[in-house]
Amino acid sequence: DVKVTQSSRYLVKRTGEKVFLECVQDMDHENMFWYRQDPGLGLRLIYFSYDVKMKEKGDIPEGYSVSREKKERFSLILESASTNQTSMYLCASSFEYTEAFFGQGTRLTVV
Amino acid sequence: KNEVEQSPQNLTAQEGEFITINCSYSVGISALHWLQQHPGGGIVSLFMLSSGKKKHGRLIATINIQEKHSSLHITASHPRDSAVYICAAAPNYGGATNKLIFGTGTLLAVQP
Repeated sequence: DVKVTQSSRYLVKRTGEKVFLECVQDMDHENMFWYRQDPGLGLRLIYFSYDVKMKEKGDIPEGYSVSREKKERFSLILESASTNQTSMYLCASSFEYTEAFFGQGTRLTVV
Repeated sequence: KNEVEQSPQNLTAQEGEFITINCSYSVGISALHWLQQHPGGGIVSLFMLSSGKKKHGRLIATINIQEKHSSLHITASHPRDSAVYICAAAPNYGGATNKLIFGTGTLLAVQP
């Protein structure tokens, strides 16, 4: 079975902290994605990566950055966490033109 | 107007009922995905389809490309089907990166 694993299920961070969310997949997928999910808004794409060291902005990249140094790992970085970044964060991976596999999600609370 | 719209937003059914969730999209697509999200967050892919109909157990997904419409049906619904069901379109301008456009989801509660 494909596994997409996110490093934490729940995180509580303080305003201004630098926050790292890690995602690892074990199926050699080229594409990896970071989404945030908020009530009434659905999933929105923050960043995606289609290869090692390659990244592109999604629909809501402001306040975030990403890193993909190895094919299996895609990290989301909140440079200076703010309360409006409190959300559910979901990582996903896929091959070209195939179904996406999602991690279990990280519920981040910024206080 | 969202590029992917689902209806209804909320649905309550009695165990055993036949359930339909609808999805309309306004973009050209290479595929349409149906996803399931249980409380707690994890999302599971149910179907990916580009034409016709697919069936898996009690779940059936159909798509009409000309009308830009897809439906997810659940036969003989059960309380364990309670979840959020999400429709997502893979636009044909997205290329091989497989970026998806998501609907806002349908919250289904099946009561015993």
